[in-house]
Amino acid sequence: EAQVTQNPRYLITVTGKKLTVTCSQNMNHEYMSWYRQDPGLGLRQIYYSMNVEVTDKGDVPEGYKVSRKEKRNFPLILESPSPNQTSLYFCASSLNGLASSYNEQFFGPGTRLTVL
Amino acid sequence: GENVEQHPSTLSVQEGDSAVIKCTYSDSASNYFPWYKQELGKRPQLIIDIRSNVGEKKDQRIAVTLNKTAKHFSLHITETQPEDSAVYFCAAPSPNESGGSNYKLTFGKGTLLTVNP
Repeated sequence: EAQVTQNPRYLITVTGKKLTVTCSQNMNHEYMSWYRQDPGLGLRQIYYSMNVEVTDKGDVPEGYKVSRKEKRNFPLILESPSPNQTSLYFCASSLNGLASSYNEQFFGPGTRLTVL
Repeated sequence: GENVEQHPSTLSVQEGDSAVIKCTYSDSASNYFPWYKQELGKRPQLIIDIRSNVGEKKDQRIAVTLNKTAKHFSLHITETQPEDSAVYFCAAPSPNESGGSNYKLTFGKGTLLTVNP
């Protein structure tokens, strides 16, 4: 089944404790992206990746890191989480991210993160 | 970068009525406009999209219209049903700030649609 998976689905942690949220897709998509969703603010893009080893900042990258060592995986790293990073996080992927051929983005199930 | 404004933030209709959600965008170069539906506790899913070479696109009870001159696009849902109740997001792309051929997708803040039986 074609899908985007995220782990963990729920996480409660404390300020400053490094964490990684994994994202994996099995559709051979080139483009992957991370969003955070907060009440009243919609979906805001954190980072995205056009392909292996190619990443770029979205609108709210501060406090986050990403890596794209393999095509299928795009982990989100919080080196020193803070309470303002408490949010619902979505990973998404699409065939490619080229402006010449926009494609549907497929979203993962979401990760609800609470930073105390 | 792109700025996407979405209105209204909440919309309540009676079953069978129509619902219209409108979005405006700022980047005149944008040429792809998707709409995503997010049911409570679920992930966003694409329901319809439109490219700038057409002014309207329909898929059964949903349609999207685009006015490039005014830089706005709208989602129209006819004969609404309770299962249409969800949060709807519009989005528009903007070029990557480093000038590459890729793009970022900027979402509106969402509209909570409630369809009352």
